[in-house]
Amino acid sequence: DAGVTQSPTHLIKTRGQQVTLRCSPKSGHDTVSWYQQALGQGPQFIFQYYEEEERQRGNFPDRFSGHQFPNYSSELNVNALLLGDSALYLCASSRSTGNYGYTFGSGTRLTVV
Amino acid sequence: KNEVEQSPQNLTAQEGEFITINCSYSVGISALHWLQQHPGGGIVSLFMLSSGKKKHGRLIATINIQEKHSSLHITASHPRDSAVYICAVRFSGTYKYIFGTGTRLKVLA
Repeated sequence: DAGVTQSPTHLIKTRGQQVTLRCSPKSGHDTVSWYQQALGQGPQFIFQYYEEEERQRGNFPDRFSGHQFPNYSSELNVNALLLGDSALYLCASSRSTGNYGYTFGSGTRLTVV
Repeated sequence: KNEVEQSPQNLTAQEGEFITINCSYSVGISALHWLQQHPGGGIVSLFMLSSGKKKHGRLIATINIQEKHSSLHITASHPRDSAVYICAVRFSGTYKYIFGTGTRLKVLA
C-alpha cells in the first residue's frame, strides 16, 4: 500500500517562472493538504482540498493555487516565482471521516534562482 | 491566537539516555501529531493522539488534554534517533495543522 507520493522530488526554477507540483494521496484518503517549509522553519499551511474544492486556505498570496482531481490527487501551482518561494513543499493526505490522521509525502524541494 | 510551543529547541544526549520532548498548546484541539524529520528529508508521522498514551517500540507519546500538554519520550536513545521532532496540532473547528518549531535532537555514540 503506497503512501503519499510527490513529484518531482527536486526542482530548480528561475524567478518569474511558474511551477506545478503533484501529489498522490495514500490509498483510501480523500483529503489533501499542502504545506511550505522554508529552511530551518516549521511547515506552514498553504491550503487543503476536499471534494475537488479548496476547503481552507492559509496566509499565502493568490500566486499559490491548487487543484484536486476526481481520483483525489492534487496539484500545487505557483506563479511568478520569487526567490523566497524556495522551500520544501509537503503534501499530506487524510481521510475525511474518522480521526483525521495525516500521512506525509517526502516533499518536493523547490529552488528558485 | 492558536499557538504551539515546543521545548527544548535543541537537545544533545548520550546513547542510551531517556529523552523527553514537550509540546504545549493554547486552546482545545481535535488531534495532535508527533512527527520526525531527518535532515533534508520528508516528514514521518510517529503518533497521532487525541487522548491518553501510545507506545511504539522505544517511543512513547502522552497527552494531557486538561493541561494542554503532550510529551514524546525516547527510551534507550540511539544515534539513529538524531532528527528534528515536531509537534503538530489541529485546533478544534479548523482543518489545518499548526506546527511547532521543532526540537533538534542529536544522540552521540
